[in-house]
Formats: sequence, structure tokens, C-alpha cells
Amino acid sequence: EVQLVESGGGLVQPGGSLRLSCAASGFSFSSYAMSWLRQAPGKGLEWVSALSGSGVGTIYADSVKGRFTISRDNSKNTLYLQMNSLRAEDTAVYYCAKRASPDVRGVINVFDYWGQGTLVTVSS
Amino acid sequence: EIVLTQSPDFQSVTPKEKVTITCRASQSIGGSLHWYQQKPDQSPKLLIKYASQSFSGVPSRFSGSGSGTDFTLTINSLEAEDAATYYCHQSSSLPETFGGGTKVEIK
Repeated sequence: EVQLVESGGGLVQPGGSLRLSCAASGFSFSSYAMSWLRQAPGKGLEWVSALSGSGVGTIYADSVKGRFTISRDNSKNTLYLQMNSLRAEDTAVYYCAKRASPDVRGVINVFDYWGQGTLVTVSS
Repeated sequence: EIVLTQSPDFQSVTPKEKVTITCRASQSIGGSLHWYQQKPDQSPKLLIKYASQSFSGVPSRFSGSGSGTDFTLTINSLEAEDAATYYCHQSSSLPETFGGGTKVEIK
């Protein structure tokens, strides 16, 4: 059974930093690209970033480019999101999601499994 | 950026009724349109990929159709457990985007 468990969310002041983690199990982690998405309170879904299975290819939404860094440790089956220079508009539940292909823009570009999410609140 | 517009925003439906949700793209996306279900306080779950392909384990009452700019998610014979918000998602081009969601309430 595919399981994705996020952690690391919390309350942070504007301008601060936070690192999210996503522990994966139930599939061959290094064989699939992974993504982070977010959902502001009461709002819709927004794709944030993606990383290939090998950890080489990365892409970011313009809203986070230069502030967020996605990475993975395939030896630990864990995905990360380092978030710097946080703003109030970054407040959201952050989800990690598995892609159905090894590449960030592969043959099958869907988010086939999602974690339960972790809440990030940026406020003074 | 491709904008996905879903309609309606909200639908109140009785059990066993048929539900139709539409998703319109601001430009042609071929068949690169996917549907997700998000129940209250849960994460989204994939229902339909590439417009009409059912994901593993999804009940057969869920189906999808369409291509180009106009797509439809149909729920035949709605069940109480289908109360949720449904989102479409395009993967045709970056950034990948989502529709605003359609909330389905059970009467």
C-alpha cells in the first residue's frame, strides 16, 4: 500500500524558514517523480514543485521560484521542501504527491497518490 | 498559464441521481485532463486520468469524457459517500493547473 506522510509544518513568522518532509513507503521511491502541492484555507489546489525520481530534474511554480527548494533522499525514501523567505500568502496545507512517471514531465503526468498534508501558517 | 473553469461551483443532489460536472480549458489541452475527489478534511484522490481512464479501485459509477477544451465528469447513481469537492487538473503544459472545484452535497 502506498503511504505518504508529511511532517514539519507549523507557525512561522514572515521572512522565516521551514523544512517539510514526506516519508514514502509501499512503492519503489526512486522510480517515481514526486511533487509538492498546496491548498490555502478554504481554497483550491496549487502545484508548487516537482522532482524527478533520480533527483536531477526540478521545476517550480513562479510563485515560489527562488524561495523554495525541493530535494529527495532516495536512501531514506524521503522527499523534502525547504521553504525560505516565507510570506503570508504561503499559508496553506502542503501535500506531497507521487507522480506516475519517473520524470517531472513524463509519459503519465498525474498525481496518483497524495499524503494527508501538513499545515504551514505564516503569521506574526 | 492554462485556466480551467469548472461548473457548477456547487450542486445539491439526491442519492441515485446523476451528476455532471464540466471543466473548460482556456486553450486546447488534448486529452491531458484528470479528475480528483476531495472529501472534507481529506487529501485529494485520483478518479480519472487522461479524460476517460478510470484509476485503479475507482467505482464504475465515475466516468469521464471530452477532449480539446471541454471535459465532463459524470457520477451515475450518486451515493452518500460521494459528497465531496471535485477538481479537474491539466498536465498539458507548465504550470500544471487545477480548476476551482465543484462541491457536491447530498440532499
